[in-house]
Amino acid sequence: DVVLTQSPATLSVTPGERISLSCRASESVDTYLHWYQQKPNESPRLLIKYASQSISGIPSRFSGSGSGTDFTLSINGVELEDLSIYYCQQGNSLPTFGAGTKLELK
Amino acid sequence: EVQLVETGGGLVQPGRSLKLSCVASGFTFNNYWMSWTRQAPGKGLEWVASITNSGGSTYYPDSVKGRFTISRDNAQNTLYLQMNSLRSEDTATYYCTREGYTTDYDYWGQGVMVTVSS
Repeated sequence: DVVLTQSPATLSVTPGERISLSCRASESVDTYLHWYQQKPNESPRLLIKYASQSISGIPSRFSGSGSGTDFTLSINGVELEDLSIYYCQQGNSLPTFGAGTKLELK
Repeated sequence: EVQLVETGGGLVQPGRSLKLSCVASGFTFNNYWMSWTRQAPGKGLEWVASITNSGGSTYYPDSVKGRFTISRDNAQNTLYLQMNSLRSEDTATYYCTREGYTTDYDYWGQGVMVTVSS
């Protein structure tokens, strides 16, 4: 199974700053890497697909990059509504998820 | 509007069975692979099962293989998850998910809770 390692586990943020979350795969997943946001007591929602493709209805401050084994989710100007847990998921082989990165207020 | 509505959750004793259903609407159901993903209380996400759009092939992780069966009825726009020999570690919220064409999960249901306990 492909293991996805997300870092950091928790990130303390100040509204307005630009941040980056990391997701590293134990083997290449090409660009079959997707990002989800989960707010408390809600279902996850797709933020970025295929490493860098934007999703309709998702604010433009969210962007993704990477290929192979190293991927990044960036938020350009964090807002309070972005305080959530972020998961990466690979679909190059049987699907697996990372353990998540929790965004909290500094 | 795409909607996925799960039903069938509840409290069940270890070793017993439970069947979840997911009714889909707002899209052409038989054009898409479908999956189940779960989340144990306070934990992360775990893929549980996938089925091709025709229902001809199914996929499972080792943690549920041989115990869980995913199926679908394309005439009724309904996805199922038959869960047998349930264990306490199967306790989780189970989400019905639509799989996009690039292996992402582009739509999620609201989730249904399954608790395995004596």
